[in-house]
Amino acid sequence: LAKTTQPISMDSYEGQEVNITCSHNNIATNDYITWYQQFPSQGPRFIIQGYKTKVTNEVASLFIPADRKSSTLSLPRVSLSDTAVYYCLVGGYGGSQGNLIFGKGTKLSVKP
Amino acid sequence: DAGITQSPRHKVTETGTPVTLRCHQTENHRYMYWYRQDPGHGLRLIHYSYGVKDTDKGEVSDGYSVSRSKTEDFLLTLESATSSQTSVYFCAISEPGGGSGSEAFFGQGTRLTVV
Repeated sequence: LAKTTQPISMDSYEGQEVNITCSHNNIATNDYITWYQQFPSQGPRFIIQGYKTKVTNEVASLFIPADRKSSTLSLPRVSLSDTAVYYCLVGGYGGSQGNLIFGKGTKLSVKP
Repeated sequence: DAGITQSPRHKVTETGTPVTLRCHQTENHRYMYWYRQDPGHGLRLIHYSYGVKDTDKGEVSDGYSVSRSKTEDFLLTLESATSSQTSVYFCAISEPGGGSGSEAFFGQGTRLTVV
C-alpha cells in the first residue's frame, strides 16, 4: 500500500481551524484515503474517508486535489477535546485491505 | 460501537513464557488485524487475517504467530515473550466495502508487560 507522510505534531488554539496535510505520492488508482483519530489509552476511530475532491461530515472535511498525491484533513473550530493523534491511511478498496499501515500520525495539541 | 472484545485487558508475564491474546468480534467482518503501539512508533501492524485460516504477516511479525479457526476469533501468540514485546496491543476488524473503501473498528487494547 502507498506510504504516507504527515507532520509529527501540530499546535493550535481553541476555536481555530486546523488543517493537517498528508502526502501519498504513490497512491494507487483504487486506493481510498482514510483518516483516523486516536485518544490516549483508546483504539483509533474513523473520522472521514474520500476518493477525490471534497468530502464533509459532521466532524471534519477532507480535501483531495485532482492528482490525489496529497490530502488535507480540516477540523473546524477545534476544542480541547480534539487533542489527539490523527492518522492518514491510503488503501482499503474492496478486498485489498490487508496491509492497513498506520504510520506515526500527527499529534495535535489544542490549547486554551 | 462495533462488537470487538479483547482479552485480557491487562497482563503481566515473565520473560520466556508463552502468551496468547484473544480478539473476539460479533460483526462477522472478514478482516481482522493485530497491532502493537509503542511510544514514538505509532501503530504497527503485526499480522492480519482475511478469512478463516487465512493470515498474513504485517510490518513487525517476528516473534508473533496468529490463528483464526473461526470468523469471530483471532488469536495472537507470543511463543516466548521478551521484554521488547511489552506494549499495548490493539485488535481491529473491517469488511470490504464492495465498490468503496471501508473503515476499521478497533478494540480497547491489551496492555502487556513482560518482566
